[in-house]
Amino acid sequence: GQQVMQIPQYQHVQEGEDFTTYCNSSTTLSNIQWYKQRPGGHPVFLIQLVKSGEVKKQKRLTFQFGEAKKNSSLHITATQTTDVGTYFCADNNYGQNFVFGPGTRLSVLP
Amino acid sequence: EAQVTQNPRYLITVTGKKLTVTCSQNMNHEYMSWYRQDPGLGLRQIYYSMNVEVTDKGDVPEGYKVSRKEKRNFPLILESPSPNQTSLYFCASSLATGVRAFFGQGTRLTVV
Repeated sequence: GQQVMQIPQYQHVQEGEDFTTYCNSSTTLSNIQWYKQRPGGHPVFLIQLVKSGEVKKQKRLTFQFGEAKKNSSLHITATQTTDVGTYFCADNNYGQNFVFGPGTRLSVLP
Repeated sequence: EAQVTQNPRYLITVTGKKLTVTCSQNMNHEYMSWYRQDPGLGLRQIYYSMNVEVTDKGDVPEGYKVSRKEKRNFPLILESPSPNQTSLYFCASSLATGVRAFFGQGTRLTVV
């Protein structure tokens, strides 16, 4: 079945440094959603990317969808302690089940 | 307030004792699903439902049952829980497939 992979599994950064997590799939992705889960919390939707090569920005967060729709990335500029959490990508699998990546846990040291 | 409500939030039970985790949403969403979250494995979909009386298996359905008799409710049933079902469970809903999902607060289940 479809597999969605994410790297790195963990990332520790100093506050103010940039952070990037990558999402890759063994098959073409239908669309990509990104979620953030704070420690002890539940996943919260960040954004959805649909089109090949799409780039979207939310303040310090930049989301990209690969040209071949097999990968995606989330980049955070100048991290803050409020960015701490686990970031998940998820593919909708063409309107069927959702397949989530294993997530990247971000720690930000003040 | 728009939300997905799960109950209970925490549950400790013994092997073999049937249990139900309830999930309710007040947003008139058609799509609902259940996930389990385990360290290093992310969120794995157990079952999903595209509408009332329509349910389908996700990636890890063994040992679980669901029902969707009403649009707002989507209970998760463990007929005979086992220790390997100890996990953090999330219910989620969305307006339709392929759009943003709203997650419940989670249910931490321990089976001893």
